[in-house]
Amino acid sequence: GEDVEQSLFLSVREGDSSVINCTYTDSSSTYLYWYKQEPGAGLQLLTYIFSNMDMKQDQRLTVLLNKKDKHLSLRIADTQTGDSAIYFCAESKNNDMRFGAGTRLTVKP
Amino acid sequence: ETGVTQTPRHLVMGMTNKKSLKCEQHLGHNAMYWYKQSAKKPLELMFVYSLEERVENNSVPSRFSPECPNSSHLFLHLHTLQPEDSALYLCASSPTGNTEAFFGQGTRLTVV
Repeated sequence: GEDVEQSLFLSVREGDSSVINCTYTDSSSTYLYWYKQEPGAGLQLLTYIFSNMDMKQDQRLTVLLNKKDKHLSLRIADTQTGDSAIYFCAESKNNDMRFGAGTRLTVKP
Repeated sequence: ETGVTQTPRHLVMGMTNKKSLKCEQHLGHNAMYWYKQSAKKPLELMFVYSLEERVENNSVPSRFSPECPNSSHLFLHLHTLQPEDSALYLCASSPTGNTEAFFGQGTRLTVV
């Protein structure tokens, strides 16, 4: 199986909360990341969490890490149409950064 | 704008052509990466350079040849590619190998 897994699609209504989930396999990963990719653009770092943390909040973004279950989630509060993009989960250790396939978030008016 | 610039943004090449992708960063980062992004597949790490030395080569076919002449520039030389090599090729850099990576906008490559 793949090292980092995430569902491919998520559709929400504007103003709702979005939760994007990710599972990973390497328990020794030191950092876990969420990247956003808008059409025609590269990946932009949204937020990251160090592996000894459980939660990180940054404005509308909340990252939850369950290290025991190797589960990472990204919650976007008050989702806007501008949040429509592909969101990639990634883990890193040393020089290796591994990404999931990305979750396409569609925000409907 | 992340500070990582890739050229060209789009490239169409025949299977017998030779072309090169260029990546440039002036962020003072020590590590640079090439990734391949195909539809509905995870990003594939191709090559990692740390302090201008290749530290990782993930079983990439020899028709892809990286070059890192200095810490600010990274090239991906392409020759005799196949149609299945068509993808978005992303360059990234990071201060060290274990911190967040900053990505370029990618080169959309089409092999015909």
